[in-house]
Amino acid sequence: AQSVTQLDSQVPVFEEAPVELRCNYSSSVSVYLFWYVQYPNQGLQLLLKYLSGSTLVKGINGFEAEFNKSQTSFHLRKPSVHISDTAEYFCAVRNNQGGKLIFGQGTELSVKP
Amino acid sequence: DTGVSQDPRHKITKRGQNVTFRCDPISEHNRLYWYRQTLGQGPEFLTYFQNEAQLEKSRLLSDRFSAERPKGSFSTLEIQRTEQGDSAMYLCASSLVREIADTQYFGPGTRLTVL
Repeated sequence: AQSVTQLDSQVPVFEEAPVELRCNYSSSVSVYLFWYVQYPNQGLQLLLKYLSGSTLVKGINGFEAEFNKSQTSFHLRKPSVHISDTAEYFCAVRNNQGGKLIFGQGTELSVKP
Repeated sequence: DTGVSQDPRHKITKRGQNVTFRCDPISEHNRLYWYRQTLGQGPEFLTYFQNEAQLEKSRLLSDRFSAERPKGSFSTLEIQRTEQGDSAMYLCASSLVREIADTQYFGPGTRLTVL
């Protein structure tokens, strides 16, 4: 079985500052890792995914994430945030056999002017 | 380019009533997933289909819940005898299994409120 822990439920940050949203996972098998963003009253939008290969993954809107197998982490980063990045961010894991995503509890990113 | 669509977007019902939600996946996507999201939580898996076949059901999917995908295209999720604990956002996602890791694309969700 897999599980995901997002270590921060809320992250307040000022505009143009860097941000890191932390995600740790647990799995006994190889997994694929995802970050999704959810704006208020909307569905989830894929930011980026790690399947294999390079451990640094670049996504949309200037976000990137680094897969660290030894620390079982997949932290999301952005060097300079905008007000429009204010949203809920979800880390998710899926095993390589296919099927369901297992999500973390979410991190609310609040960007202040 | 049409994404995943869900109908209705909002549903308010009284306890004990039946409700049905519809999901239309991205054209040619052969997998369709249902998730439930309660306030302040991440989505939780309910069930998924590959074409018409329902391949997995979560323990969250009690006997009051039933999902169908009769022709391998759209899907319906029915909740019978609704309870207040069923209030949540119901999310649908679709994917193309030929893709590596078949990325799931989500619809806007149906928000259910049970009074």
